[in-house]
Amino acid sequence: GNSVTQMEGPVTLSEEAFLTINCTYTATGYPSLFWYVQYPGEGLQLLLKATKADDKGSNKGFEATYRKETTSFHLEKGSVQVSDSAVYFCALIGSSNTGKLIFGQGTTLQVKP
Amino acid sequence: DGGITQSPKYLFRKEGQNVTLSCEQNLNHDAMYWYRQDPGQGLRLIYYSQIVNDFQKGDIAEGYSVSREKKESFPLTVTSAQKNPTAFYLCASTHRGQGNYGYTFGSGTRLTVV
Repeated sequence: GNSVTQMEGPVTLSEEAFLTINCTYTATGYPSLFWYVQYPGEGLQLLLKATKADDKGSNKGFEATYRKETTSFHLEKGSVQVSDSAVYFCALIGSSNTGKLIFGQGTTLQVKP
Repeated sequence: DGGITQSPKYLFRKEGQNVTLSCEQNLNHDAMYWYRQDPGQGLRLIYYSQIVNDFQKGDIAEGYSVSREKKESFPLTVTSAQKNPTAFYLCASTHRGQGNYGYTFGSGTRLTVV
């Protein structure tokens, strides 16, 4: 079945450091890929998405490129801020019509001043 | 503003009791979903519904029940059969067939069994 694997956390960075959170997936067909962010005590917010190979999703300085050849969708940001501290989830929706969103286990990011 | 409202934010339950979590949306979304979140794990799908009066089991449906009598509402009941119900529960919605645009999530209900 479809699945998503994220790098283990927590990730601790200093402000203005470069961020990479790795995400790889297993899916048949052509899934759509997402990054969601969860701030403490809150629900999830869509951060960015990509629906086909080689698409780049971007938002708030975060970027991720849909790489079908490596089945990856790594999240990057050039300069993190303390306010980026949160849990980040990689997710996919398969090409069936159920619309079920399948999540990775989440990666906690802590940014220190 | 449109959105999803989950209530209550915190809920305490005694062992052996059933409890119902509320999820209401005013986004005119057809599809609604319930996820469970445990520390260090991703979100796991409990139940989902793509149209009124119809719903399907997700990956961890045992010990839970749902109903979908109205488009706006998708309550989740955690029954006494659920062996480990303490968790953070998230409700989400999207237009049917448009999950590629992303889900909208509620702010969650934290259930604790005491």
